[in-house]
Amino acid sequence: QVQLQESGPGLVKPAETLSLTCTVSGVSISSYYWSWIRQPPGKGLEWIGYIYYSGSTKYNPSLKSRLNISVDTSKNQFSLKLTSVTAADTAVYYCARFRMLTPYDSWFDPWGQGTLVSVSS
Amino acid sequence: DIQMTQSPSSLSASVGDRVTITCRASQNISNYLNWYQQKPGKAPKFMISGASTSQSGVPSRFSGSGSGTDFTLTITSLQPEDLATYFCQQSYSSPYTFGQGTKLEIK
Repeated sequence: QVQLQESGPGLVKPAETLSLTCTVSGVSISSYYWSWIRQPPGKGLEWIGYIYYSGSTKYNPSLKSRLNISVDTSKNQFSLKLTSVTAADTAVYYCARFRMLTPYDSWFDPWGQGTLVSVSS
Repeated sequence: DIQMTQSPSSLSASVGDRVTITCRASQNISNYLNWYQQKPGKAPKFMISGASTSQSGVPSRFSGSGSGTDFTLTITSLQPEDLATYFCQQSYSSPYTFGQGTKLEIK
């Protein structure tokens, strides 16, 4: 059974860097794509980006200039760094496995439980 | 970016009712449309891919249909445990985008 668990600080100051890690269990991270998705309080879902175990990435252009997603295959983890955060980055951050059968036929499954990150001084 | 618009934003229905949620894409996405269920306080759960392929374990009362720009999620006989917010998501092109969600309440 594939399980994902997010970890990281729940509070980040404006202009600082938001850092989260997703630990994957039940499957080798070296077999799939992995993604980050966020959900501001009371709002919808926003795809952040994905990474393949090889390190290749694809980012949402709206966040690309501030974003870095990396993978550590030895720990079966992947991570998110978002720089220069503002209150607009306050959200529940989810990690998820990104299943891509073809470039068009893809989905997010399963998801971690999510972690709330608040940006505030 | 492809915009996904769901309607209604919320709805209230009774146990046993047939419920239909609509998702519209801002351009043709063929059948590359997924549905997720998010129960209160929980992470989204993947339910349907390719507009109409239900995943293992999804109750048969849930079904999806549509292609092009217009899609529907139908619950044929609403159950109390279906209380949730439902999201559509297009996988046709990056950035992958979600609808704003439809909050389903039980009367």
